Amino acid sequence: AQTVTQSQPEMSVQEAETVTLSCTYDTSENNYYLFWYKQPPSRQMILVIRQEAYKQQNATENRFSVNFQKAAKSFSLKISDSQLGDTAMYFCACGNSGGSNYKLTFGKGTLLTVNP
Amino acid sequence: EPEVTQTPSHQVTQMGQEVILRCVPISNHLYFYWYRQILGQKVEFLVSFYNNEISEKSEIFDDQFSVERPDGSNFTLKIRSTKLEDSAMYFCASSEGLAGGETQYFGPGTRLLVL
Repeated sequence: AQTVTQSQPEMSVQEAETVTLSCTYDTSENNYYLFWYKQPPSRQMILVIRQEAYKQQNATENRFSVNFQKAAKSFSLKISDSQLGDTAMYFCACGNSGGSNYKLTFGKGTLLTVNP
Repeated sequence: EPEVTQTPSHQVTQMGQEVILRCVPISNHLYFYWYRQILGQKVEFLVSFYNNEISEKSEIFDDQFSVERPDGSNFTLKIRSTKLEDSAMYFCASSEGLAGGETQYFGPGTRLLVL
């Protein structure tokens, strides 16, 4: 069984500043993937960034980057140069790979507010 | 850009009634999923579906729940006799394949309220 924990229910940041959202996970799988999804108000969840557990290099997508610490089972999301449009609920998720079944296990989410 | 769509966006029903939640996955995707989120709680996996059959289901997905792909585009979740505790946001998702790490694309959700 997999578990994902997001310990920050809410965070706020000033526009143009940097913020880091925390996520820890636990899984018995050897091969797994980690994701951050963003859900703006009244919109669907969209993928922000993904990380393959077998890769040591941290994933980066423009202003979004992760700090993947496999031994510590930590997967934090850093948002640089925060923009008003980054205001959203952010969900961390873990998915196992291989086999015929595949599902995502989510954390409870962190509500990020970017202030002008 | 293709999107997963869901209808209705909101549904209010009486306890014991049947509801059908509808989803249109992205057209070239082969794998389909339902998740739900009870207010204030985690997004939880319900069921995955491939090749016209259930691939995996969670313990939440009991006999009251069923899924169907009635035609080439729709993917439905039916709750036969709703309970108060079924009130939640229900998300549909689809992915192109299952090769490890396939991104799941989510719909906007249906908010179900059971009275």
